[in-house]
Amino acid sequence: KAGVTQTPRYLIKTRGQQVTLSCSPISGHRSVSWYQQTPGQGLQFLFEYFSETQRNKGNFPGRFSGRQFSNSRSEMNVSTLELGDSALYLCASSPRGRAASNSPLHFGNGTRLTVT
Amino acid sequence: AQTVTQSQPEMSVQEAETVTLSCTYDTSESDYYLFWYKQPPSRQMILVIRQEAYKQQNATENRFSVNFQKAAKSFSLKISDSQLGDAAMYFCAYRSALVSGANSKLTFGKGITLSVRP
Repeated sequence: KAGVTQTPRYLIKTRGQQVTLSCSPISGHRSVSWYQQTPGQGLQFLFEYFSETQRNKGNFPGRFSGRQFSNSRSEMNVSTLELGDSALYLCASSPRGRAASNSPLHFGNGTRLTVT
Repeated sequence: AQTVTQSQPEMSVQEAETVTLSCTYDTSESDYYLFWYKQPPSRQMILVIRQEAYKQQNATENRFSVNFQKAAKSFSLKISDSQLGDAAMYFCAYRSALVSGANSKLTFGKGITLSVRP
């Protein structure tokens, strides 16, 4: 079974631009979560999507948004990029529902975003 | 809100020796899950071991075991017979057992960098 796939692996953008990152979950997984990883703040939860609906959102400004498609693939978008948005963005997928509540998240290799 | 604390930023261990990584957490919930994830230079977060709070028995996975002290809110990871491939960042994480949108996220500690000396 293929793992979580994130594209692209690396991205360089300029301040003020916008960026879209993509995540394909493990086949059969319907929940997709996004995390931002920086040396200073560590791993911080961005949002979770299930059945094309945002189920939970972290404490990030409105410039960070996401969506999920009917095939469970997800994208996240960051508009008006700032230098502080430079980070590793990790996507994770999991089954959903009470029976799967103890299922660990399966992570992708991440997208390294550099804002100059 | 739940918090996870990993107070040691770095640790080093000799190959074949045993090392223990510490983690404490704070929560008012009684039912939850705890995880240790490994992040090698490849960047992918890999699940090492998980513990269900309602289970008193400590989880083990081959060379990896945990010491789960629920009353003390402590969840340490012991790596036995350390190997060069164990060198990575290790993250302790908490997840509520309540199945609802607000409780679906993982709360991570800051992580610890483990180096293995040959």
